[in-house]
Amino acid sequence: KAGVTQTPRYLIKTRGQQVTLSCSPISGHRSVSWYQQTPGQGLQFLFEYFSETQRNKGNFPGRFSGRQFSNSRSEMNVSTLELGDSALYLCASSPSGGNTEAFFGQGTRLTVV
Amino acid sequence: AQRVTQPEKLLSVFKGAPVELKCNYSYSGSPELFWYVQYSRQRLQLLLRHISRESIKGFTADLNKGETSFHLKKPFAQEEDSAMYYCALSSGGSNYKLTFGKGTLLTVNP
Repeated sequence: KAGVTQTPRYLIKTRGQQVTLSCSPISGHRSVSWYQQTPGQGLQFLFEYFSETQRNKGNFPGRFSGRQFSNSRSEMNVSTLELGDSALYLCASSPSGGNTEAFFGQGTRLTVV
Repeated sequence: AQRVTQPEKLLSVFKGAPVELKCNYSYSGSPELFWYVQYSRQRLQLLLRHISRESIKGFTADLNKGETSFHLKKPFAQEEDSAMYYCALSSGGSNYKLTFGKGTLLTVNP
């Protein structure tokens, strides 16, 4: 079956702009999580959605938001971009979260200039 | 708060040598622990999880609650084991999130 798909793969944005990233989970998976990966901080949890509801949120400012649609596809939005938002953003899906395996996408590389 | 520590950023061994990647965790509840691996130019993928108690590609990991550790071991390293390894802890349930360590880059030399 198809894996987790993230679009776009690469983005270049200017400070102050906003950006929307998309994630299509594996068919049948209802949990989608987002992570930010940087060389300094590693992989950091942003938020998790299950059946269109945000169940948990990491320690990121309110500029970072997300949503999940009825088909389990998810988007994350970052408003008022800062240089420090440059990172690889990873999406992962799993059947229900918890101790089940998380399947990761290839990521979206965001560069803020 | 939950935390995962991988003390070694880099680990280099020769082919056929034993390898141990260390992972320590801090969590007040009952932890669900995982090892994820990222090979060059591939996506992050699950290697093994403590709950299944299985050996994958010759790797094993034992949860030691007394020492709060979940070290990954392999008796004889292979060149194809060269990759980035991440230890992760899941809070599980309805408050689900994965907390990752910063990773250890394993290089297996011929």
